[in-house]
Amino acid sequence: QQQVKQSPQSLIVQKGGISIINCAYENTAFDYFPWYQQFPGKGPALLIAIRPDVSEKKEGRFTISFNKSAKQFSLHIMDSQPGDSATYFCAATGSNFNKFYFGSGTKLNVKP
Amino acid sequence: DTAVSQTPKYLVTQMGNDKSIKCEQNLGHDTMYWYKQDSKKFLKIMFSYNNKELIINETVPNRFSPKSPDKAHLNLHINSLELGDSAVYFCASTRTAMNTEAFFGQGTRLTVV
Repeated sequence: QQQVKQSPQSLIVQKGGISIINCAYENTAFDYFPWYQQFPGKGPALLIAIRPDVSEKKEGRFTISFNKSAKQFSLHIMDSQPGDSATYFCAATGSNFNKFYFGSGTKLNVKP
Repeated sequence: DTAVSQTPKYLVTQMGNDKSIKCEQNLGHDTMYWYKQDSKKFLKIMFSYNNKELIINETVPNRFSPKSPDKAHLNLHINSLELGDSAVYFCASTRTAMNTEAFFGQGTRLTVV
């Protein structure tokens, strides 16, 4: 059973547009929801993370929206740039899990 | 300085061989992990060690044997390599075994021919 479901699998956005990636989770015991960015040939790197006590977190052009009742969270990239082209992973974990459950990834391509 | 470093970056080997991948972190973290990323980019946990002790073993074949000589190192030895083992293997670390930021190495691309 996949604990974290991510969509879409791929996304093409024009430069300056908004990129939106969605994730849904199963386990209500999760309490840490990070987003990782991975460039080709590199390891994933933390982009932004949220805990369920807030509904939104913003860092620069990146925003996480969190809906606890729906068990969903999403990443919004404002003013998307070609340099944002990468694969994005959502993840979830909690104090008792000792590991991250990753979504299946979204390959974002920002067209110049 | 690289926070989490893996060697080698690329590994091409024949079926049936035995190979090792090394990982070191200089962050002072307690917990280290091995993740496997398949051709579809899916990241799947394999093992987790906390202070040199195995805490997660996710139904990985016995041919895979992790070893943690100290909490800064977590190596992965693979016996009798199979074609299906071809993937990118990532080492990662977190400050504790709890829910904190994970730092990933650059990955080891293993190709079994």
